[in-house]
Amino acid sequence: ETGVTQSPTHLIKTRGQQVTLRCSSQSGHNTVSWYQQALGQGPQFIFQYYREEENGRGNFPPRFSGLQFPNYSSELNVNALELDDSALYLCASSLAGTSSGEQYFGPGTRLTVT
Amino acid sequence: AQKVTQAQTEISVVEKEDVTLDCVYETRDTTYYLFWYKQPPSGELVFLIRRNSFDEQNEISGRYSWNFQKSTSSFNFTITASQVVDSAVYFCALIPQEGGKLIFGQGTELSVKP
Repeated sequence: ETGVTQSPTHLIKTRGQQVTLRCSSQSGHNTVSWYQQALGQGPQFIFQYYREEENGRGNFPPRFSGLQFPNYSSELNVNALELDDSALYLCASSLAGTSSGEQYFGPGTRLTVT
Repeated sequence: AQKVTQAQTEISVVEKEDVTLDCVYETRDTTYYLFWYKQPPSGELVFLIRRNSFDEQNEISGRYSWNFQKSTSSFNFTITASQVVDSAVYFCALIPQEGGKLIFGQGTELSVKP
């Protein structure tokens, strides 16, 4: 069974640029959620994707957008990067139909905006 | 409002001591789900346990045990005979009745010294 993978591991971008982060879900999982974790804080829910559609969104501006592909992998896109976007971005996969079920996390992408 | 509070920011113990991590949650939902995750220095969140709001039976798994009390809205986590490898940040989290998103507490950083 393959776990959740994310790429890249680390990324440095300049304010105003755009970034794309990628996530492959655990084998058999068809729902992907994205979280932002600032240093010293708990993860904050960004959005969730199920069947290639957004299925819930947290308190994040529209410049945070996502995609889910037919193979259930997902992308998180952030436009017009701001310094406060510097954080660990975590992807989690789970089984649809178990919206209350366990979410399994990837190792994260550390984004630094300068 | 849905909220999870972990009042203990940092805990330091000596190996073999028992340690309890506190978690208090707020929700008006009758159905909800509670979780504990461990985040070692590598950054990946590791799922430890899930409880639903209708199951107040406490659970023991090896050196880990969980005490769920709806009357006090608490879901505490105890590590017996702590080991250095238990050093990590521990997060308590809630999935509300609507499902989908995990609502995390601020985390408790546990340091176990030899």
